[in-house]
Parts: sequence; structure tokens; C-alpha cells
Amino acid sequence: AQSVAQPEDQVNVAEGNPLTVKCTYSVSGNPYLFWYVQYPNRGLQFLLKYITGDNLVKGSYGFEAEFNKSQTSFHLKKPSALVSDSALYFCAVRDTIRRDDKIIFGKGTRLHILP
Amino acid sequence: DAGVTQSPTHLIKTRGQQVTLRCSPKSGHDTVSWYQQALGQGPQFIFQYYEEEERQRGNFPDRFSGHQFPNYSSELNVNALLLGDSALYLCASSSSIQETQYFGPGTRLLVL
Repeated sequence: AQSVAQPEDQVNVAEGNPLTVKCTYSVSGNPYLFWYVQYPNRGLQFLLKYITGDNLVKGSYGFEAEFNKSQTSFHLKKPSALVSDSALYFCAVRDTIRRDDKIIFGKGTRLHILP
Repeated sequence: DAGVTQSPTHLIKTRGQQVTLRCSPKSGHDTVSWYQQALGQGPQFIFQYYEEEERQRGNFPDRFSGHQFPNYSSELNVNALLLGDSALYLCASSSSIQETQYFGPGTRLLVL
């Protein structure tokens, strides 16, 4: 069965510094990987996805993520953090081996950008 | 182009009651998935509807049921509500030919 781990409950970064939010996954076949962001009392907003191809994918609001198959990781990154990036971030995976459309989410990482 | 919409935004029920939540998918999407997000947790998959049928189901009891209409909108029904059903219920829509699910704002259910 597929699973996602976000090892950090919270990440604190000073504004202007680079940020990384970690994610590792487990699937039977090849993964589809996603990052979503959630602001207070809101639904989830899609940031980016990896399906195939280039291991570095770029998404909304200057975020990017790097797919590493050997380490089964998909860490979210941004070169220069903004205070407005403070939110709850979810990594998610879908297993392609059975064309299973179910998406499994991690428990989330709260990102605090300090002014 | 409207995104995914859900109604109502908030709901308060008492134990044992029944509730119906509604979702309209993003234009051009034909697949609707429902998730439960408890406080401090990630979304948990409940089930997915495609072509008016339940295509997949997560680890939720039969008290949770759903329906999809010919216009692709969907309902989530929960019977015999328990205190533990209090959560944010999220609807996500997608197209059968692409992988990304887009989420609505959610319905926050409180069971007293």
C-alpha cells in the first residue's frame, strides 16, 4: 500500500532564506507525486506535481520540488521565502501500478516564515 | 470558470442525525473524490465517483455513502453521526484523463 511521510511537523525559516519541506513516499509502482498548500479555514490548493520526465518540477508561487527515485523523496523548495508562504503544506502520492486514482496524503508540515 | 464548490460551508448536527454534503466539480471534470480531514491531520480518502458509480473506497464504514448525478455533481451522506465524524469534509474533482485533483473549500461539520 502506498504511504507518505512528512517527518517535520513544523519548519521555521527567516524571510528571504531558502526553504525546504521534506517528503518521502512508498508505492508499489511508479509514483505520481503532488504538493498542496492549505491556508487557515480553506481547502487545499494545488502547487505542483511530478508525473514523469525532469526530476525538478516547478509550480505556483515560485515553489519547486525535486523527485529523487533512489531516496524515494519529493522535497518542496523555494529559493527565497516570503511571510505569505506561511501555511500548512501537504505532500501526496498516487500509485500508478493499478491505475489507482486514490491519493494518499501526508500529515502535513506547518511552515512559519519569520519576518 | 468556477472552481470546485461545496455547500454548506458549516454545519452543526447532533449524534445520531444524518447529514448530506454537496459538491459541484470544476468545469470539464467528471470525477469527484471525497476526503475527511480531522483537526491536525491530513485528508483521508473516503471514496471516489465516476460515471455515477463509486469507483474506489477508503477505510470508512457504510454509514458513509455517496451519489453522483448526471451533471457530475456529487453528494456525501453520513448516517448515524458520531462525535468522531466532526471534521472538514473536502471534495476534489478531476478529469479522467489527467492526474491532478482540485479541491473545494470544504464543509466543516461539528457533531455535538
